[in-house]
Amino acid sequence: QSVLTQPPSASGTPGQRVTFSCSGSTSNIGSKSVYWYQQLPGTAPKLLIYRNNQRPSGVPDRFSGSKSGTSASLAISGLRSEDEADYYCATWDDRLRGPVFGGGIKLTVL
Amino acid sequence: EVQLLESGGGLVPPGGSLRLSCAASGFTFSVSALSWVRQAPGKGLEWVSGISAAGGRTYYADSVKGRFTVSRDNSNNTLFLQMNSLTVDDTAVYYCAKDEAGYGNSWFLYWGQGILVSVS
Repeated sequence: QSVLTQPPSASGTPGQRVTFSCSGSTSNIGSKSVYWYQQLPGTAPKLLIYRNNQRPSGVPDRFSGSKSGTSASLAISGLRSEDEADYYCATWDDRLRGPVFGGGIKLTVL
Repeated sequence: EVQLLESGGGLVPPGGSLRLSCAASGFTFSVSALSWVRQAPGKGLEWVSGISAAGGRTYYADSVKGRFTVSRDNSNNTLFLQMNSLTVDDTAVYYCAKDEAGYGNSWFLYWGQGILVSVS
């Protein structure tokens, strides 16, 4: 059972906007920055969002992140077939004294 | 270009040991915190262990504490993970990752390609 809660799956059609949630607590999301990773099948994770809402160089502005209280969200607009992947939220947990990941959400582009 | 290349994985029986290495290049290794993150087959990401830039601080997930030891050789730009008393639950792809912030706010911009450890 992950410390950060994500729904296991989501789907959307090309061009659509989808939003993923990530729920935590005061010991993690409530007091720390949130990060999002994208993992395409058979590849290493890729950083998508850092410090709640910042995009690394090369990440399209179709991807956006936000945080409020003990929850965070990742939004993908203009959904494309290549966005089909697993998405993980992550942050530091002060109680566990280490980084924690959500269980991951599998996005299917219909 | 930042590169992280894991090695040392393979098949090991329960109770056995294995030592993973991660050869790094393309950044100043000696000032960078690093971590190991693993992914069991069909499962999500699990952080395993981290180490500060100079190696003075090491930290572990509860699931591996007392069995795994992380270390680094800053002279040879290499990160290690010594894994002892392995169980089937340790079967996973192990990634080394460059930690952009270190203890207290870890996040990972660069990842290795991963190495498979099978305990059976």
